[in-house]
Amino acid sequence: KNEVEQSPQNLTAQEGEFITINCSYSVGISALHWLQQHPGGGIVSLFMLSSGKKKHGRLIATINIQEKHSSLHITASHPRDSAVYICAVNNMDSNYQLIWGAGTKLIIKP
Amino acid sequence: DVKVTQSSRYLVKRTGEKVFLECVQDMDHENMFWYRQDPGLGLRLIYFSYDVKMKEKGDIPEGYSVSREKKERFSLILESASTNQTSMYLCASSLQGRGLNQPQHFGDGTRLSIL
Repeated sequence: KNEVEQSPQNLTAQEGEFITINCSYSVGISALHWLQQHPGGGIVSLFMLSSGKKKHGRLIATINIQEKHSSLHITASHPRDSAVYICAVNNMDSNYQLIWGAGTKLIIKP
Repeated sequence: DVKVTQSSRYLVKRTGEKVFLECVQDMDHENMFWYRQDPGLGLRLIYFSYDVKMKEKGDIPEGYSVSREKKERFSLILESASTNQTSMYLCASSLQGRGLNQPQHFGDGTRLSIL
């Protein structure tokens, strides 16, 4: 079993829909990261969370430490949000290494 | 803004060749990382370095080596390239942060094909 599980693996939605991507983990963590990867390769860090909720524009990330679960929400989705969204966690036993989820491929249709 | 630059976006090499992938960051970050990314597998750590001349094996170091002679530059070396090393290679850097978690900043990736 992977230590970081994302769902769904693939998601297709219409422009304007509210999007939720989930991340569950099984290890003790010191932080959780959400990242975005557009076609072509480059990865951009969206959020780093250790508790509660963060918001940036139309993106909202939440984390529930007790349930070992995080969600990434996109409000008023747009075709330019189409990308792979990746969850990663800092294992408490390591300051350097991240444990990576496999990613969620999101397609927003106009 | 942090800039992480990988020397090539696309690279085609032959089996048995020695391949060098170069990565340079401009923000004086202590930590640097090399990952490979394959469909369905997510990112897997090959090697990382937390200081000049220091290196640590990641999850899949076999067939690879690294070099960090200067703080800003981290090189990944495929000693004798094989077809199963065809992949997307991503370099990242981060501040050491004295134990605090720091976000990693990524380059655009190198898509390497071994024929």
